[in-house]
Amino acid sequence: NAGVTQTPKFQVLKTGQSMTLQCAQDMNHNSMYWYRQDPGMGLRLIYYSASEGTTDKGEVPNGYNVSRLNKREFSLRLESAAPSQTSVYFCASSLGLAGGELFFGEGSRLTVL
Amino acid sequence: QKEVEQNSGPLSVPEGAIASLNCTYSDRGSQSFFWYRQYSGKSPELIMFIYSNGDKEDGRFTAQLNKASQYVSLLIRDSQPSDSATYLCAVTQTGANNLFFGTGTRLTVIP
Repeated sequence: NAGVTQTPKFQVLKTGQSMTLQCAQDMNHNSMYWYRQDPGMGLRLIYYSASEGTTDKGEVPNGYNVSRLNKREFSLRLESAAPSQTSVYFCASSLGLAGGELFFGEGSRLTVL
Repeated sequence: QKEVEQNSGPLSVPEGAIASLNCTYSDRGSQSFFWYRQYSGKSPELIMFIYSNGDKEDGRFTAQLNKASQYVSLLIRDSQPSDSATYLCAVTQTGANNLFFGTGTRLTVIP
């Protein structure tokens, strides 16, 4: 049972390049989330998906887009990467929205030069 | 004002001692409170949650909630070196569909 799987684990981009972070969960959870974690800033929500077919902005959505491809998969896209997007990105899932346990993926470390 | 505030530490305690981690939150309507542990380079994992005022115990961990003071804490009894990690407080907010996380307190247990 893999839980939440994110790819890639590490990525280096140049400013202006685009990329997609992939996330899949095998726990039949309804809700999925993308967080970024920066030193001194804690975990901040970028986007979330309450259920298949819906997505909503979190605290820091600018510069990102998401797709809830199906119940299992939730991707995060950076269209034109900026150095300010250098961070560790975590995908998470939960059975329902806020109030339930979040299960996190292993994280993706992104560096934008 | 940050929604969830924690002392960033580091907090150092000797092995076998009680570690006390504190968290305050700004939304008086918050209903659910969580403590996550994050080892260096790893992802957060849930260790405790609490919804009602008072204490909740689970093994060596006790979560304490005081909604009047908007304060939640985590006590770790008989601290072990394996407890050395960053502890993240997370709180639900009125009208929001996600958790708000504090910046975390780094705990070091000294053998």
